[in-house]
Amino acid sequence: DVKVTQSSRYLVKRTGEKVFLECVQDMDHENMFWYRQDPGLGLRLIYFSYDVKMKEKGDIPEGYSVSREKKERFSLILESASTNQTSMYLCASSWGGRVVEKLFFGSGTQLSVL
Amino acid sequence: GENVEQHPSTLSVQEGDSAVIKCTYSDSASNYFPWYKQELGKRPQLIIDIRSNVGEKKDQRIAVTLNKTAKHFSLHITETQPEDSAVYFCAASRPSNYQLIWGAGTKLIIKP
Repeated sequence: DVKVTQSSRYLVKRTGEKVFLECVQDMDHENMFWYRQDPGLGLRLIYFSYDVKMKEKGDIPEGYSVSREKKERFSLILESASTNQTSMYLCASSWGGRVVEKLFFGSGTQLSVL
Repeated sequence: GENVEQHPSTLSVQEGDSAVIKCTYSDSASNYFPWYKQELGKRPQLIIDIRSNVGEKKDQRIAVTLNKTAKHFSLHITETQPEDSAVYFCAASRPSNYQLIWGAGTKLIIKP
């Protein structure tokens, strides 16, 4: 069974803090993704990665960066957290190939920025 | 720009009845259409998907239909059960970067 693990279920940070969200998958998937989920807006893609040390911007990359130093780990970084980044963050992974198909999601991190 | 519209935002049906959720996409080059189910407090999970070379696909009580001409696709759930209560998301592939464009979600409530 594919397991995608996010390091924190709930996180509370202060405005201006640097925030790290970690994601690890155990199925040797090439592709990894970071989404944010807000009520009424569905899932919006922040960044994705097709391979180690590769990253591509999604639809809403502003204010975020990512790191993929190892195949199984994909980190999302909020350089200077702001209140409008309060959201549910979902990590996902999938098998390789440019066409994104079945996504396996983590349980999510609910981030509150005060 | 590219988008996926999903309706309704909330759907309440009697247990045992059918439920239909509809999505419309904007890019005629989209060719992959998955549906994900997210139960309360849990992660989204793929329940069914369809490609543009197929008009309908079934898996037990769920089915998806695709109308390429009208650029819409629908999720059909028959004989609904309490465990069908969840938020359902549709998505369409975006040809420009092979990623998915997501609908806003439909909260399905099954009334006993």
